[in-house]
Amino acid sequence: EVQLVESGGGLVKPGGSLRLSCAVSGFTFSNAWMNWVRQAPGKGLEWVGHVKSKGDGGSTDSAAPVKGRFTISRDDSKNTVYLHMNSLKTEDTAVYYCATGVILIAWGQGTLVTVSS
Amino acid sequence: QSVLTQPPSASGTPGQRVTTSCSGSSSNIGSNGVNWYQQLPGTAPKLLIYSNDQRPSGVPDRFSGSKSGTSASLAIRGLQSEDEADYYCAAWDDSLNGYVFGSGTKVTVV
Repeated sequence: EVQLVESGGGLVKPGGSLRLSCAVSGFTFSNAWMNWVRQAPGKGLEWVGHVKSKGDGGSTDSAAPVKGRFTISRDDSKNTVYLHMNSLKTEDTAVYYCATGVILIAWGQGTLVTVSS
Repeated sequence: QSVLTQPPSASGTPGQRVTTSCSGSSSNIGSNGVNWYQQLPGTAPKLLIYSNDQRPSGVPDRFSGSKSGTSASLAIRGLQSEDEADYYCAAWDDSLNGYVFGSGTKVTVV
């Protein structure tokens, strides 16, 4: 069974940092592209970025609102993908989901990040 | 402001056919496949349709997708109460070099 479990969310002050993790099981993680998607309270889905599999170069792409502040990395030995968030703003408050594949075929349950003073 | 445009709401009675649209441009829908996601209240999104008209295993054939030019559509045949959810279209955008979602359509069963 495919499982994705996010962790690391919480309350952080504006300007602060946070690292989210997404541990996966049930498929060959090293071959998978991994994505982060967020959803602000009462709003729609917003793609944050992805990291390609090492076989596809392992590079990352990210959305304009987070470029230069958020970084995505992966540890294939731990079947885990990370979202490193710096210089957090109040508008980054959202539930953050990890999702696998080019077409986001499976999703985790999400972790809430609240940026507030 | 979402790159892909969807109507905010759609509704139907049980058993009816409901459709919703997704309008984009040449850099996204016009040149890449469209995927649809269903988000039931309080849950994570789920892939419903991929590559314009393909259903993942386990998705009922009541759900269908289509694409023409820079627009796409999702149809739900034989609407059921458990279909009440938000539906999002999405596609890769070559100009933005990113994956873009529509603003979502809330489907209500009246």
